[in-house]
Amino acid sequence: NAGVTQTPKFQVLKTGQSMTLQCAQDMNHNSMYWYRQDPGMGLRLIYYSASEGTTDKGEVPNGYNVSRLNKREFSLRLESAAPSQTSVYFCASSEHRKNTEAFFGQGTRLTVV
Amino acid sequence: QKEVEQNSGPLSVPEGAIASLNCTYSDRGSQSFFWYRQYSGKSPELIMFIYSNGDKEDGRFTAQLNKASQYVSLLIRDSQPSDSATYLCAVNGMNRDDKIIFGKGTRLHILP
Repeated sequence: NAGVTQTPKFQVLKTGQSMTLQCAQDMNHNSMYWYRQDPGMGLRLIYYSASEGTTDKGEVPNGYNVSRLNKREFSLRLESAAPSQTSVYFCASSEHRKNTEAFFGQGTRLTVV
Repeated sequence: QKEVEQNSGPLSVPEGAIASLNCTYSDRGSQSFFWYRQYSGKSPELIMFIYSNGDKEDGRFTAQLNKASQYVSLLIRDSQPSDSATYLCAVNGMNRDDKIIFGKGTRLHILP
C-alpha cells in the first residue's frame, strides 16, 4: 500500500542551487497537487495537474516548475533555490469525483541556506 | 480566488468537552467538503467528508454543512488529549479543473 511516495524526505540546499522533488502515486488518480506548508500559513497550492499532460498554476507558483511525466508521476523543480522556499512540501493525489479526498505523501522538509 | 477561511486558534478545550471547529468558503459552486487532521511533523489525514446539507456523524466526530450560509463545521465529542492537532478544512468543486483548496487550519489543544 504505497499510496503517494515523495522523495527526498529531507534536503538542504544552498541559495542558487537547483533540485527536483519527486512524487509518484499508485492509485491511478488523475489529479495531482504540490503544496507548500509554512508555519501559520496552512497548505498553499503551488501547482496542480488535472490529468497527464496538463498543469495549472496555484496560489504560489513563482520560482517553481512542474512536470506531469505520466499519470503516476508529478515532479516539482526549483531552478534557483532561495531562502524563501524553505518549507515543507507535500504532494497529493485524488480522483476527481464527488467525495474523493486528497491522499498525501509524507512530505519533504526543504531548507535553503 | 476561491478561499477557505478558518480561525487559526489555538482553541483550548478541556478533556471530555465538545470541541467545535468552523470553516467558511467563498465559492458557492463547491460540492465536496473535507476535514483533515494534521499532527505536528506529519501529513494531513482525512477525518470526514460531507457533501449534503445537514449533519454527518462518525464516532465522536460530526460534520455539519450549510450550503446556504457557506459554512462547514466539525464537532468532536468527548475530546481526548490525542485530538490535539491542527484541523484543516478543504473544499472541492465538481468540474474537472477544480482544485482542492485548503484553509489555513485551526490548532486545537485539549487540556488534560
